[in-house]
Amino acid sequence: EVQLVESGGGLIQPGGSLRLSCAASGFTVSNNYMSWVRQAPGKGPDWVSVIHSGGSTYYRDSVKGRFTISRDNSRNTVYLQMNSLRAEDTAVYYCARTILGVDGYGFEVWGQGTTVTVSS
Amino acid sequence: EIVLTQSPGTLSLSPGERATLSCRASQSVSSIYLAWYQQKRGQAPRLLIYGASRRATGIPDRFSGSGSGTDFTLSISGLEAEDFAVYYCQQYGSPQWTFGQGTKVEIK
Repeated sequence: EVQLVESGGGLIQPGGSLRLSCAASGFTVSNNYMSWVRQAPGKGPDWVSVIHSGGSTYYRDSVKGRFTISRDNSRNTVYLQMNSLRAEDTAVYYCARTILGVDGYGFEVWGQGTTVTVSS
Repeated sequence: EIVLTQSPGTLSLSPGERATLSCRASQSVSSIYLAWYQQKRGQAPRLLIYGASRRATGIPDRFSGSGSGTDFTLSISGLEAEDFAVYYCQQYGSPQWTFGQGTKVEIK
């Protein structure tokens, strides 16, 4: 069964750091595009970052220089290192297997999410 | 950045009725880059449609997507109880992805 399980969220003070993990099962993350998508309370989803199967990484403008996406192939896990956290980073963070194919693009498998709250 | 505007904000319908949701892009979007999601309270979004018209795995055929250019539509024929939820459209604009603000389909 294809599954994604996120962990690592919590309450953190502004300026602090967190590392989110996304453990995959049923498929190999290194053969896929993997994204992080967040959703602030009461808002729609926002894409945060993607790591391509070839290793290229991309970020939304508001997190560039603060967030880093990576993966550990031996653990079949994707990470999101978040530094210099701000109140506006407060959200549920989802990991998602991402399709970029000739038939279409989208986030086809989602985890259950992990909650990040940035507050003093 | 391409902005997606969804309408209406809320759609009040009865079970069995047809729902038509609109997603308008601020500039032309290639059809393969347009997707639709369903989200229920407390759950992650679920991919319904990708490539503007292709149903994702396991999605019932009462869900259909259409459109091109700047205007896209998600239709749900014969609403069932489990279809009352929030729906988002999304587009890919290398390398960024953006979502619309959502349409809530509620029971009338």
